[in-house]
Amino acid sequence: SQQGEEDPQALSIQEGENATMNCSYKTSINNLQWYRQNSGRGLVHLILIRSNEREKHSGRLRVTLDTSKKSSSLLITASRAADTASYFCATDEGGSEKLVFGKGTKLTVNP
Amino acid sequence: AAGVIQSPRHLIKEKRETATLKCYPIPRHDTVYWYQQGPGQDPQFLISFYEKMQSDKGSIPDRFSAQQFSDYHSELNMSSLELGDSALYFCASSLGIEQYFGPGTRLTVT
Repeated sequence: SQQGEEDPQALSIQEGENATMNCSYKTSINNLQWYRQNSGRGLVHLILIRSNEREKHSGRLRVTLDTSKKSSSLLITASRAADTASYFCATDEGGSEKLVFGKGTKLTVNP
Repeated sequence: AAGVIQSPRHLIKEKRETATLKCYPIPRHDTVYWYQQGPGQDPQFLISFYEKMQSDKGSIPDRFSAQQFSDYHSELNMSSLELGDSALYFCASSLGIEQYFGPGTRLTVT
């Protein structure tokens, strides 16, 4: 089953610009996680935000969560070419342990 | 810090053959998850184990089976392979909420 929907599907920006990716989900959640995946490689855990949190920061990452709209956003500030990757949100559908991933946003940061 | 280890990293099999994928979780992590990611797709949950017992099951074909052993490593067994089984297979482990993924096994069925 599909839970998260990423928006946009692809994003191309210049180095130094900010990148914002959005994710929407359908059911109630306890937490939402963001992962990064370089082409065809492993998933790297970026940040977790709990349902009772509205915003969280980690380095150049800022995540927001709006449970009333069932949506989250990931902001990467001052992007670098090395940020080029696909970004997925993942939720614990209905509070289960398994993760349900969205389709992902493919971010390209041009030098 | 130790990460999740998966082996092999790449595997090529022919249709109708069998494949076994192995996963070694981060030490002291008590839960293992398996996910399948088709080309250009998002990862899909297959199955999970908590303390060596199956804890949840997703869209896992009957041709697939998995288990977790006493040393907490897990194996995903895939039989009667089909072309559509070609995918990246991830194992993840956790001790709480955050799941840490291995590098994946790329299975190609020809």
